[in-house]
Amino acid sequence: GNSVTQMEGPVTLSEEAFLTINCTYTATGYPSLFWYVQYPGEGLQLLLKATKADDKGSNKGFEATYRKETTSFHLEKGSVQVSDSAVYFCALKKISGGSNYKLTFGKGTLLTVNP
Amino acid sequence: AAGVIQSPRHLIKEKRETATLKCYPIPRHDTVYWYQQGPGQDPQFLISFYEKMQSDKGSIPDRFSAQQFSDYHSELNMSSLELGDSALYFCASSPSRNSYEQYFGPGTRLTVT
Repeated sequence: GNSVTQMEGPVTLSEEAFLTINCTYTATGYPSLFWYVQYPGEGLQLLLKATKADDKGSNKGFEATYRKETTSFHLEKGSVQVSDSAVYFCALKKISGGSNYKLTFGKGTLLTVNP
Repeated sequence: AAGVIQSPRHLIKEKRETATLKCYPIPRHDTVYWYQQGPGQDPQFLISFYEKMQSDKGSIPDRFSAQQFSDYHSELNMSSLELGDSALYFCASSPSRNSYEQYFGPGTRLTVT
């Protein structure tokens, strides 16, 4: 079945440091890939997405490139801020059983950014 | 812009009681998904609806049932609650069954004591 593996946290960085959160996936065919962010006590917000190989999703300084050859979708940001502290989930979406698109999530990575 | 509304935001129940969670999708969204997120866990897909019909089923216990109504809002009914049902329950809506986008609500935190 479909699965997502992302690097285990927690990740602790200083402000303005470079961030990478690794994500790899297993799926047949061509899934769409997503990063969601969950701030403390809140719901999930879509951060960025990529729907086909070599697509680069970007938002709020975060980027991730859909690499089919390595089945990866690593999240990067050049300079993190304290306000980026949250849990980040990598996810994929495929048609399931001929129905619509449920999301399969990774385990989440807690990022803490210190001033 | 209107977002997904879930009610209640917090719910405390005792074991063996029942609970009903409600989800109001973004206007003109016809597809609804339910997810369960246990403490420190990733969200797990429970069930989805498209045009008031169940379209996909995940790891939803038999004690749970759900439906989507004519106004597209959805309700998740949970009976014979167990301690392990304590979790954050998210609803997400999409503008169509083929859309890549899923917009999540703030969640209902259910605590079973």
